[in-house]
Amino acid sequence: QKEVEQNSGPLSVPEGAIASLNCTYSDRGSQSFFWYRQYSGKSPELIMSIYSNGDKEDGRFTAQLNKASQYVSLLIRDSQPSDSATYLCAVNVHGGSQGNLIFGKGTKLSVKP
Amino acid sequence: EAQVTQNPRYLITVTGKKLTVTCSQNMNHEYMSWYRQDPGLGLRQIYYSMNVEVTDKGDVPEGYKVSRKEKRNFPLILESPSPNQTSLYFCASSSLGTGSRNEQFFGPGTRLTVL
Repeated sequence: QKEVEQNSGPLSVPEGAIASLNCTYSDRGSQSFFWYRQYSGKSPELIMSIYSNGDKEDGRFTAQLNKASQYVSLLIRDSQPSDSATYLCAVNVHGGSQGNLIFGKGTKLSVKP
Repeated sequence: EAQVTQNPRYLITVTGKKLTVTCSQNMNHEYMSWYRQDPGLGLRQIYYSMNVEVTDKGDVPEGYKVSRKEKRNFPLILESPSPNQTSLYFCASSSLGTGSRNEQFFGPGTRLTVL
């Protein structure tokens, strides 16, 4: 069974701090990795995608990928209360139907003013 | 505006009364998928489609049907809803073209309650 694991949290950080969200995956052949943000009762919103080892930065967000360790992370710098949400990690299914993603259950982030 | 739309957004119904949740995308995506999301269980895939007239079961297909007669539309049909189908439903789509990176875009969700 291919899996994506995330710490459910809640992860609580003070405003202005760096929030670090982590995700591990079991499918060594996966090539595409995503972070979605989901506010309560709303739909998942794609915020970062990463496809090669290393770091990818977009504004206050940095995604980090280490395929050898099967690990992907999301750093949020200068965290704001508006960043409070559940963050879903998603990974493509290698060898399965193209397009299918496996989602982790999400990490709930709370940014305290 | 590129988007995935779902209707209705909220629905309360009774056991056994057939219903359809519509999903439409305007991005010319080949791939479309339905998920349900329940507390503690995360997103679970119900059905997916890789193109017109091509559909396949996801992880939790029991009690659901889908069709893909047009590229833009992917309705979810509950022939005889039961209370255990009370959930938050999401439709998503992505491109499968050359260079596609499997980025899925989600509709706003449909909150279904079956009494």
